Amino acid sequence: GAVVSQHPSWVICKSGTSVKIECRSLDFQATTMFWYRQFPKQSLMLMATSNEGSKATYEQGVEKDKFLINHASLTLSTLTVTSAHPEDSSFYICSASLLRGDSNQPQHFGDGTRLSIL
Amino acid sequence: AQKITQTQPGMFVQEKEAVTLDCTYDTSDPSYGLFWYKQPSSGEMIFLIYQGSYDQQNATEGRYSLNFQKARKSANLVISASQLGDSAMYFCAMRRGPGSYQLTFGKGTKLSVIP
Repeated sequence: GAVVSQHPSWVICKSGTSVKIECRSLDFQATTMFWYRQFPKQSLMLMATSNEGSKATYEQGVEKDKFLINHASLTLSTLTVTSAHPEDSSFYICSASLLRGDSNQPQHFGDGTRLSIL
Repeated sequence: AQKITQTQPGMFVQEKEAVTLDCTYDTSDPSYGLFWYKQPSSGEMIFLIYQGSYDQQNATEGRYSLNFQKARKSANLVISASQLGDSAMYFCAMRRGPGSYQLTFGKGTKLSVIP
C-alpha cells in the first residue's frame, strides 16, 4: 500500500518550454504532498508543500511563478516548470502524506522525474 | 531549527557483513521523529525505518535496526548481513517540528557493498 506514482520519469525539452510533472497517490488519499529538487550527489531540497484545495507553501528562495503547483484533488498534485531554462535541469521528486495521518507516518515518494533542458 | 548531520560521505562494506551509518541531530523539541530512507541509483526514495523520540525501544525492520541514543542525539542505522542490493545512498531525516509533516534531510551516505 501507499504507492505514489510520478509522471513523466524523464523529460528532455527545449529552453523556454513549460513542463508539467504529475504526482498521484494511487491507493490512498493524501492531505499533503511535497515537491523536492535534488542536484547530483546532493540531498533533497524541499521546494514547496502542497495542500489539497489551497495554495502551496513555498520554501524561501523558490520562485512561485517559476514553479507552479496545483493540488486539485486528494490524489493529484502537479508541478509546472514554466519557461524552463538549462539551470532548471534537475531531479524532481514528490512525496505524499496520508490523509489525517499522524506526522510519525513516513512520507511516500514517487520515483522522481529527471528534467533536462537543452 | 532542526539539523541533521551525516558525517560519512561514503562507506564500504563486505557482503554479508554488518555496517553502521551515522546520523546525529539537533533539536530543542521534546517530541520528534527520525526517518531513514534509501535511494538507489534509479532515484526512488524507499522508506526503511522510523524512530520516535518517546519510543522505549530501538526500532527494527528486518535487517535494518536503529541504534538510538537520545542523550547523544544520534540515530545510527545498522544494516545486518549486507547484500549487493544494499548499495545506495542513505538519508537520515527528521520532522521539522512537533506535528509537522515536513522533513529535513541529511546530506546522505553512499554505501557500497563489495562482493
